[in-house]
Amino acid sequence: EDQVTQSPEALRLQEGESSSLNCSYTVSGLRGLFWYRQDPGKGPEFLFTLYSAGEEKEKERLKATLTKKESFLHITAPKPEDSATYLCAVTNDYKLSFGAGTTVTVRA
Amino acid sequence: DAGVIQSPRHEVTEMGQEVTLRCKPISGHDYLFWYRQTMMRGLELLIYFNNNVPIDDSGMPEDRFSAKMPNASFSTLKIQPSEPRDSAVYFCASSPAVTVYGYTFGSGTRLTVV
Repeated sequence: EDQVTQSPEALRLQEGESSSLNCSYTVSGLRGLFWYRQDPGKGPEFLFTLYSAGEEKEKERLKATLTKKESFLHITAPKPEDSATYLCAVTNDYKLSFGAGTTVTVRA
Repeated sequence: DAGVIQSPRHEVTEMGQEVTLRCKPISGHDYLFWYRQTMMRGLELLIYFNNNVPIDDSGMPEDRFSAKMPNASFSTLKIQPSEPRDSAVYFCASSPAVTVYGYTFGSGTRLTVV
């Protein structure tokens, strides 16, 4: 069974204070690792897909990296609008298995 | 495109009543997924369809839950009878190709069973 563990559960940052979120996974035959952002009262919003170890993707202040056992989401110089819950998910077919998420709060 | 459309946004019902949640996927998306989100268990896959056919319903918690997709533009998730432990946010998501695009989620239906 696929397992996805995210840490920390919550992260409080000062505006401009860079940090990283971790996603550890166990899956047989990884076909994709996904990062989503979820704002309160809304559905998760797709950010990135990573497929193989060593791959990196960037979007504005976010950068996702992938190894054989984990993925990191780096937030560089965050702004208050980056406050959200970030979810990691993996798939080996068509079903995404999600982690519990990391709730990031960025204070101005 | 208006995205994945779910209705209602909020539903409050009494224990024992039937509840029907509705979803309109994005046109052209062959995969449709129903998830449930709670604080305790996070996002759990209930069932998914490919080309309107149910492929995997192993996540459906009990016989009280049923889902249908009568055509490519509409799906329902029904709970009968509802129980307080069914209270959660239910999300519908669709995708044209999961490993390439992931899912596009709807805004969810917040269900409260009292």
